[in-house]
Amino acid sequence: GAVVSQHPSWVICKSGTSVKIECRSLDFQATTMFWYRQFPKQSLMLMATSNEGSKATYEQGVEKDKFLINHASLTLSTLTVTSAHPEDSSFYICSARRPSTGNSNQPQHFGDGTRLSIL
Amino acid sequence: GENVEQHPSTLSVQEGDSAVIKCTYSDSASNYFPWYKQELGKRPQLIIDIRSNVGEKKDQRIAVTLNKTAKHFSLHITETQPEDSAVYFCAASNAPSSGTYKYIFGTGTRLKVLA
Repeated sequence: GAVVSQHPSWVICKSGTSVKIECRSLDFQATTMFWYRQFPKQSLMLMATSNEGSKATYEQGVEKDKFLINHASLTLSTLTVTSAHPEDSSFYICSARRPSTGNSNQPQHFGDGTRLSIL
Repeated sequence: GENVEQHPSTLSVQEGDSAVIKCTYSDSASNYFPWYKQELGKRPQLIIDIRSNVGEKKDQRIAVTLNKTAKHFSLHITETQPEDSAVYFCAASNAPSSGTYKYIFGTGTRLKVLA
């Protein structure tokens, strides 16, 4: 079964609205979660790394004031698209990674994604 | 930074044939290479991964090979079935000084298995 839950799965809203997307780690405590954006028939582009209890790390070109990330607990990270416009329409996917053991990289588990459509 | 290239972008095979997808990476510090399968409108699902201390890994019909010297890794699917049809993404990840492991994804391969 799913180890990462993402909600909502689909959002349609008017331009100028702020939209919040939740990502929950169900089976483990995730100190780190990731937010991706995926355009149709394209790859997953990392937007930011969400760190529990500290500020998110944004990738180059991603506006932190536009895409607000809050990782308030070990099982929940939220992405808020502020004042959304049609160009923000996309498929947003989160992932969570189990805590690493020693220096060992662990796989990321993805949520179901949120399809955001801004009218 | 890391750059991952993936080929081919589309691949059609007859049911029962093998499929091979190749990826190259640029950062020699990358040490973890997962492969994900994504069906239309669904989440990417991990199908196999390989670490840099291993040259090959197999799980039933799926295998991955890694050539660290050449900095490339490949996904091999044998005895393909229609349900293998999906988009496959490779990724590379390293262990940066900050301790945060990030994925850099390839551009994806759309595999179509013809019945």
